[in-house]
Amino acid sequence: SQTIHQWPATLVQPVGSPLSLECTVEGTSNPNLYWYRQAAGRGLQLLFYSVGIGQISSEVPQNLSASRPQDRQFILSSKKLLLSDSGFYLCAWSERREAQYFGPGTRLLVL
Amino acid sequence: AQTVTQSQPEMSVQEAETVTLSCTYDTSESNYYLFWYKQPPSRQMILVIRQEAYKQQNATENRFSVNFQKAAKSFSLKISDSQLGDTAMYFCAFISLYGQNFVFGPGTRLSVLP
Repeated sequence: SQTIHQWPATLVQPVGSPLSLECTVEGTSNPNLYWYRQAAGRGLQLLFYSVGIGQISSEVPQNLSASRPQDRQFILSSKKLLLSDSGFYLCAWSERREAQYFGPGTRLLVL
Repeated sequence: AQTVTQSQPEMSVQEAETVTLSCTYDTSESNYYLFWYKQPPSRQMILVIRQEAYKQQNATENRFSVNFQKAAKSFSLKISDSQLGDTAMYFCAFISLYGQNFVFGPGTRLSVLP
């Protein structure tokens, strides 16, 4: 069966510091991968999606970037965090558009 | 562009009662998938139910069922015999047959009251 991992679960970072959030999927090959951000009590904002290694599409211009160095690894990064980057970050995978499956999420607080 | 609307920001229901959450969507395509996701206080997103647009039969998963009205572009979720563990945010979502991105609605916060 497929599983998706995200880490860290919680992160507190000062403004201006770098960021690296990692997501890995097990039990599937060549999945579509997604990064979302969610503010407290709000909906999902799609940040990036990837249909293959090295293929990244950005949905929202921002302070963040994404990379997919391996088939089942998706990384969200920033060189300098802003206060507005605080939020809940969700990684998800899908295969054949039948459904999207989410990781447990990372809570990021930028101080 | 496709959009998904959930017109009920918050709802509440008594334990053991039935509640229906509304969802409408806008698309010009005829083949697509629709979903309901549940996000409990843990914030883990959980797939509740899925519907293929080409299937006329409404999907059912235990206490969860949908009323899919393709012509009206409506996709409501009915929760029967509500339980305290059903308390969560519920998101309606859409993806076209040839699309890459899932489109989510703004969510409905459901509280099940004892």
